[in-house]
Amino acid sequence: DQQVKQNSPSLSVQEGRISILNCDYTNSMFDYFLWYKKYPAEGPTFLISISSIKDKNEDGRFTVFLNKSAKHLSLHIVPSQPGDSAVYFCAASKNTGFQKLVFGTGTRLLVSP
Amino acid sequence: EPEVTQTPSHQVTQMGQEVILRCVPISNHLYFYWYRQILGQKVEFLVSFYNNEISEKSEIFDDQFSVERPDGSNFTLKIRSTKLEDSAMYFCASEPSGITDTQYFGPGTRLTVL
Repeated sequence: DQQVKQNSPSLSVQEGRISILNCDYTNSMFDYFLWYKKYPAEGPTFLISISSIKDKNEDGRFTVFLNKSAKHLSLHIVPSQPGDSAVYFCAASKNTGFQKLVFGTGTRLLVSP
Repeated sequence: EPEVTQTPSHQVTQMGQEVILRCVPISNHLYFYWYRQILGQKVEFLVSFYNNEISEKSEIFDDQFSVERPDGSNFTLKIRSTKLEDSAMYFCASEPSGITDTQYFGPGTRLTVL
């Protein structure tokens, strides 16, 4: 059941450059999307979200872009910092409010100094 | 900043034994979830809970699993007779109002079934 896919298992970026993490989904009923960051032995930490009525949401160094027609979203981190090194999960839900999240497989980001 | 807490951080048990995983959600949150992540796999939904009732459960959440909110603060997941394949990280999550879908996760309990 691959409703949410992150096709890049890993990404390496130099400090100060842009990191772009991608996510694709197949279920057109999804209308709320989130990005979580996860360090080893910790729970997922919420980063940023976007509703399907928007195509962009920005919070500091993090921007999420949503292309509904392509069923694709991306997370941009600018500038990347070594502390951003973690596994990033894309998640999606149907409707709004009290809905289960469907997660992608994650992308491991390594930001080198 | 308030956070979701989980105990224990690591639980080792023998196959067939019962385990109870405990969570304390963020205090003003109303919606609660359990997810699990088997090593190397994606985080997957188990169950959602609101107003002292299960709202939705996945096919993983069979009769061996149960959830309870025994008091105003704790939220527990019980596995009655553990199997080897129950070995995973179990994450509790809570959501404030059910409007924004922003779920906040605890640090997880690593369950190892021998």
